[in-house]
Amino acid sequence: EVQLVESGGGLVQPGGSLRLSCAASGFTFSSYWMHWVRQAPGKGLVWVSRIKSDGTSIIYADSVKGRFTISRDNAKNTLYLQMNSLRADDTAIYYCARPKEVTRAYFDLWGRGTLVTVSS
Amino acid sequence: DIVMTQSPDSLAVSLGERATINCKSSQSILYSSNDKNYLAWYQQKVGQPPQLLINWASTRESGVPDRFSGSGSETDFTLTISSLQTEDVAVYYCQQYYSAPWTFGQGTKVEIK
Repeated sequence: EVQLVESGGGLVQPGGSLRLSCAASGFTFSSYWMHWVRQAPGKGLVWVSRIKSDGTSIIYADSVKGRFTISRDNAKNTLYLQMNSLRADDTAIYYCARPKEVTRAYFDLWGRGTLVTVSS
Repeated sequence: DIVMTQSPDSLAVSLGERATINCKSSQSILYSSNDKNYLAWYQQKVGQPPQLLINWASTRESGVPDRFSGSGSETDFTLTISSLQTEDVAVYYCQQYYSAPWTFGQGTKVEIK
């Protein structure tokens, strides 16, 4: 089955860290440029970060630059998001998303998301 | 950054009636070299991730009912649901993939009147 499954979310204090994972299956993960998109509770979708298929090109939204690190392990078919210096406004459901066309940035496959709550 | 603005924020339509959602980009998202508009529409039902409905402004995704259609060019786009069904209750988002950072509209909530 073609799917993405996120994990690693939870409750963390401001200033803390979390590492999210996204396990891919049913497709050639190593071919796709992969993305993270987040959604604060009751709010809209916000693109967070993208990594090229071989990991050599990475970009971030300004809101997370310098605090978040995207990475991937193509041997394990897994995408990661290391989140440091977390703030209350990072509270959101984090989705990993696969583009419909390998290098484009519109998404035909989404995971169910993992909830990150930043609170003391 | 390209700002995507949807209107209205919410919409209540009777079953079987037409629903129209507008999306405006702060700059043209029409790429002249291929004459394509870099715009997608998504549907998000409560408790679910988004689902891709339309790409390239007007290309319906496989399996999407033909009551959904997309139109527009350059900066002004429309998603139309020609005959609203109960299962269409959701929030709808437009998204530009013309340039990073890729941005979404704020969403339009569609309900049954």
